[in-house]
Amino acid sequence: AIQMTQSPSSLSASVGDRVTITCRTSQGIRNDLAWYQQKPGKAPKLLIYAASSLQSGVPSRFSGSGSGTDFTLTISGLQPEDFATYYCLQDYNYPRTFGQGTKVEI
Amino acid sequence: QVQVVQSGAEVKKPGASVRVSCKASGYTFTNYYIYWVRQAPGQGLEWVGVINPTSGSTVYAQKFQGRVTVTRDTSTSTVYMQLSSLRSEDTAVYYCARDFGEGLDVWGQGTTVTVSS
Repeated sequence: AIQMTQSPSSLSASVGDRVTITCRTSQGIRNDLAWYQQKPGKAPKLLIYAASSLQSGVPSRFSGSGSGTDFTLTISGLQPEDFATYYCLQDYNYPRTFGQGTKVEI
Repeated sequence: QVQVVQSGAEVKKPGASVRVSCKASGYTFTNYYIYWVRQAPGQGLEWVGVINPTSGSTVYAQKFQGRVTVTRDTSTSTVYMQLSSLRSEDTAVYYCARDFGEGLDVWGQGTTVTVSS
């Protein structure tokens, strides 16, 4: 199974900050990676798919980049509603594997 | 509107089985795979398995092999996940989600399964 290493596990930030979360995979996965946001008590929400494509309805301050084994989620201009936990998920092969999550806190 | 709606919370004893349903509406059921993902209290997301609603073929995480069965009923656009031989570590919120091919774009509200004696 492909191992996912997501970092950091948590970070503190302020409104307006630029935040970067990384996900590294144990083998190359082309661009078959998605990013999800989860708020407490809620289902995850798709933000980015195919490493860099913005899901419909997601604000443009979210962006993704990378291919192969190294991927990045960037939030440019953090908003109060962005405080949440973020996960990467590889959809290159089965079994699908998630990153460990990054909690973005004030 | 496009949605998947899950069945309600379950409380089970160790060794029992649980079946969670996921009813799709607002789209052509057979056009999208359905995933199952779980989240133990305070923990991250864990992939359980997937079903192709057209063929009924499934793939499961090795961790659940032999204990999980995912099926579908095309007449009601419903997917079922059954987990047997429950243990306390299976206490979690179980989500179903639609895969549009490059991501999970529609999620159920989650079903809490509690395993306790």
